[in-house]
Amino acid sequence: EVQLVESGGGLVEPGGSLRLSCAASGFTFSNTWMSWVRQAPGKGLEWVGHIKRKTDVGTTDYAAPVKGRFTISRDDSKNTLYLQMSSLKTEDTAVYYCTTDHDGGMDAWGQGTTVTVSS
Amino acid sequence: DVVMTQSPLFLPVTLGQPASISCRSSQSLVYSDGNTYLNWFQQRPGQSPRRLIYKVSNRDSGVPDRFSGSGSGTDFTLKISRVEAEDVGIYYCMQGTHWYTFGQGTKLEIK
Repeated sequence: EVQLVESGGGLVEPGGSLRLSCAASGFTFSNTWMSWVRQAPGKGLEWVGHIKRKTDVGTTDYAAPVKGRFTISRDDSKNTLYLQMSSLKTEDTAVYYCTTDHDGGMDAWGQGTTVTVSS
Repeated sequence: DVVMTQSPLFLPVTLGQPASISCRSSQSLVYSDGNTYLNWFQQRPGQSPRRLIYKVSNRDSGVPDRFSGSGSGTDFTLKISRVEAEDVGIYYCMQGTHWYTFGQGTKLEIK
């Protein structure tokens, strides 16, 4: 069974940094593209970015609102995905979901971790 | 950026009756490999989203066959043949052809 467990969320001040983690199991993590998707309180879903598998060069792509501030990385030896967030803004407040990325969409989702950016 | 527009945004349905959600993209979702990367997701209250449909009309594993997807180019539809109580939630379309963009969501409730 595919499992994705996010952690690392919390309260951070504007301008601060936070690193989220996603522990993956039940599938071949190293062979899978992975994405982060977020959902602001009471709002819809927004793709944050993704990282390809190393056989596809392992490149990353980001949505415009987070480009230059967020960095996605992966440790295939630990089956773990990361999201390093810096220069955080109040509008980054959201639940952040880790997802697998297959067939042009997100086919498995974690339970999410909440990030609150506030002074 | 590709804009995804769903309608209606609110959908009250009687149990056992059909339901239909429309999704329109601002440009064609046909990718260079010939595939059309249009997905549908369901988010039940208090839960993470779950993908129902990928590449327009393919149901994900475990998705009941009362859910079906159709469409092409820029116009797509999710249909539920007979709505059940467990179908209450918000439905999102999402395109995966030009990066990823979600629609605004359609809230389905039981009348």
